[in-house]
Amino acid sequence: AQSVTQLDSQVPVFEEAPVELRCNYSSSVSVYLFWYVQYPNQGLQLLLKYLSGSTLVKGINGFEAEFNKSQTSFHLRKPSVHISDTAEYFCAVSVGNDMRFGAGTRLTVKP
Amino acid sequence: EAQVTQNPRYLITVTGKKLTVTCSQNMNHEYMSWYRQDPGLGLRQIYYSMNVEVTDKGDVPEGYKVSRKEKRNFPLILESPSPNQTSLYFCASRTGTGVSEQYFGPGTRLTVT
Repeated sequence: AQSVTQLDSQVPVFEEAPVELRCNYSSSVSVYLFWYVQYPNQGLQLLLKYLSGSTLVKGINGFEAEFNKSQTSFHLRKPSVHISDTAEYFCAVSVGNDMRFGAGTRLTVKP
Repeated sequence: EAQVTQNPRYLITVTGKKLTVTCSQNMNHEYMSWYRQDPGLGLRQIYYSMNVEVTDKGDVPEGYKVSRKEKRNFPLILESPSPNQTSLYFCASRTGTGVSEQYFGPGTRLTVT
């Protein structure tokens, strides 16, 4: 079965700094990859997804992620964060109807 | 508006008192699932359903029941809640293929004392 590891449980950064949230996965078959964001007291919403094609995927709110098959990674990046990006971020991998989530990374953006 | 709704949003109950958390989606999705979210553990799947009358266990099904009598509804039942079921619960739905994203409800925060 596939699994997901988010390498950082917490990432504090200052406003306007770049950020990278790391995600590694393991699977013996081809996967689809997702990043979700959870703002305080809300459900999860999709940031972006990788299904096939270009390995650089752009999502909402200026986020992007790069699929690296050789390193089995799908890291999320943003060149300049805002206070409003403070949230929990989840990486997920999907094979067939099975979707697995990482433990989450709490991004805190400080003024 | 396409959405997944859950009720109630907050619930405090006592050990052993049966409860039901409702979930409904208006997107005609075949696939629905329930997750619980606990600090440091991410989201863990409790049960899922691939269509009406088709349900199956996820990773943490003990102490929970579900039913899928209609396509739009997928209630989560705790017959005899215990304190270790205190958690944040999410219902989600998607079309029946692996390429599609899941749409999540707003969550139900359950406290069992």
